[in-house]
Amino acid sequence: EDQVTQSPEALRLQEGESSSLNCSYTVSGLRGLFWYRQDPGKGPEFLFTLYSAGEEKEKERLKATLTKKESFLHITAPKPEDSATYLCAVQAVWDYKLSFGAGTTVTVRA
Amino acid sequence: EAGVTQFPSHSVIEKGQTVTLRCDPISGHDNLYWYRRVMGKEIKFLLHFVKESKQDESGMPNNRFLAERTGGTYSTLKVQPAELEDSGVYFCASSPGLAGVLRVSTGELFFGEGSRLTVL
Repeated sequence: EDQVTQSPEALRLQEGESSSLNCSYTVSGLRGLFWYRQDPGKGPEFLFTLYSAGEEKEKERLKATLTKKESFLHITAPKPEDSATYLCAVQAVWDYKLSFGAGTTVTVRA
Repeated sequence: EAGVTQFPSHSVIEKGQTVTLRCDPISGHDNLYWYRRVMGKEIKFLLHFVKESKQDESGMPNNRFLAERTGGTYSTLKVQPAELEDSGVYFCASSPGLAGVLRVSTGELFFGEGSRLTVL
């Protein structure tokens, strides 16, 4: 069974204080690894897809990277509006369903 | 363009009662998924429709759960009879079919805001 472990569970940052979130995964044949952002009371919102080790994607202050065992989401100079729960999910090559991690809740203080 | 809409946003029922959750996907999206998050756990897959057909229902916990997708448009998820452990947030998500939209990853889903179910 696919497994996704995210760390830390929670992260409190000062505005401008860069940091990284980790997503470790186990899957028999990776089709893709996905990062989503979820705000309180809302559904997850898609951020990135990564397909192969060495791939990187960027969007504003967020940068996602992928290795054969884990992915990192780097938040550079975060702002309060970056506060959210960040979810990592994997999709196996023979499948369409996503297996999610429990998420990392990021709080950015002004 | 309207997003994925779910109804109701919150439902409180007694154990043993029936609840029906509804999802309206983005117009034209062939793929429709149901996921749920129970307290303190990660979001888990329930099932996947392609148009009106069930593609994968491996995540459905038991036969108290019944999902339908009428004419390949909206979907309903019925829980009958509800148990305490069914409490959680039920998310619906949709994505386009692959034909003609190859740039869209099959994991790029558009989620609704969820239906919170509380079973007392």
